[in-house]
Amino acid sequence: DTGVSQDPRHKITKRGQNVTFRCDPISEHNRLYWYRQTLGQGPEFLTYFQNEAQLEKSRLLSDRFSAERPKGSFSTLEIQRTEQGDSAMYLCASSLDGTGNQPQHFGDGTRLSIL
Amino acid sequence: DQQVKQNSPSLSVQEGRISILNCDYTNSMFDYFLWYKKYPAEGPTFLISISSIKDKNEDGRFTVFLNKSAKHLSLHIVPSQPGDSAVYFCAASALGTDKLIFGTGTRLQVFP
Repeated sequence: DTGVSQDPRHKITKRGQNVTFRCDPISEHNRLYWYRQTLGQGPEFLTYFQNEAQLEKSRLLSDRFSAERPKGSFSTLEIQRTEQGDSAMYLCASSLDGTGNQPQHFGDGTRLSIL
Repeated sequence: DQQVKQNSPSLSVQEGRISILNCDYTNSMFDYFLWYKKYPAEGPTFLISISSIKDKNEDGRFTVFLNKSAKHLSLHIVPSQPGDSAVYFCAASALGTDKLIFGTGTRLQVFP
């Protein structure tokens, strides 16, 4: 049973560049989530999908951020015109879509550093 | 506005003793609570959860207690082991949404 996979693990880029991260959820999980974590803080919710439908977006997700899950499997998170404040760990999680509460299972994240 | 608070940034416990990690919340709409453990350079790992209709859930060495009237939950680890040394996050979600709201974490160190 493979867990949530994120690629790349690290990304270093210059301010103003665009970056794209990929997340592959656990295979039978219909729900997929993106979070951002900065030093000394807990993860902060960005957005989530049920299959290919994006159900909720945080106000943290400015118009420079876009997330997709085109076939209801893997997801991508793109940040355009990166800024210093975008430096963070970007975490992806997935969960089963069933009755009752289901725990979210996280990948190891993509660490973004903006020079 | 921090809806989930972990007021102790760190905790040090001797191996074999009980570790108690605490979490307070302000949103009375929260109905599902979780604890995650995080090692450096890894993502959070799910430990245990509890629904608001319960006041206790146990899984091996881990027990979570929920006191709704006090808006407080705690994670008990007994006996504590050196491998339990990590950062522990409390998280909650409200009815009708799947998004998790996390606390800022408590760093647990278990020493021999």
